Amino acid sequence: RKEVEQDPGPFNVPEGATVAFNCTYSNSASQSFFWYRQDCRKEPKLLMSVYSSGNEDGRFTAQLNRASQYISLLIRDSKLSDSATYLCVVNSRSGGSNYKLTFGKGTLLTVNP
Amino acid sequence: DGGITQSPKYLFRKEGQNVTLSCEQNLNHDAMYWYRQDPGQGLRLIYYSQIVNDFQKGDIAEGYSVSREKKESFPLTVTSAQKNPTAFYLCASLPGGGDIQYFGAGTRLSVL
Repeated sequence: RKEVEQDPGPFNVPEGATVAFNCTYSNSASQSFFWYRQDCRKEPKLLMSVYSSGNEDGRFTAQLNRASQYISLLIRDSKLSDSATYLCVVNSRSGGSNYKLTFGKGTLLTVNP
Repeated sequence: DGGITQSPKYLFRKEGQNVTLSCEQNLNHDAMYWYRQDPGQGLRLIYYSQIVNDFQKGDIAEGYSVSREKKESFPLTVTSAQKNPTAFYLCASLPGGGDIQYFGAGTRLSVL
């Protein structure tokens, strides 16, 4: 299994749709999990962090299943401005007290009018 | 405003030339990181530094060098040994005790 694997996409959805992104990770000792959003030719920006079973922020819900090593991101009532690439990011211990972020390749979402 | 500043935004390298990408932060963060992103790929770690005057190789350090003489600054040099330098380079920083990295706006490097 790859360290962090995401749906390859791309996803094209109409405005108002609900869209789900899936991500699996291979290191069972991973500590924390993040979803970053990256607009075209821009830097990644933190969307949500997930430390326990889940997190909700408005239209966005992230869920974590440690037993299955699986993280998801759900966007409800999608807006045109949600169009971006969504990166799944996993924080794991890399030796001693060092931690390392591992990034998935990202899933491109386009929300259409 | 506090933040991470990368410069230049665009950079062109000639064959055999070394180029240096700047990364400065005024967030008082301890750790700083350099990543490379290729089209359709995830970010890959080049080098990182957790304290001044100390840095560690990441997954793809060959052909790159760094220094950390000041807490605020973590420049990356792309040497002539890096045969495929065209990519989007991102610098990030991390506060002490935290696990959320914050990114600069990036530098796009191309080869002439």
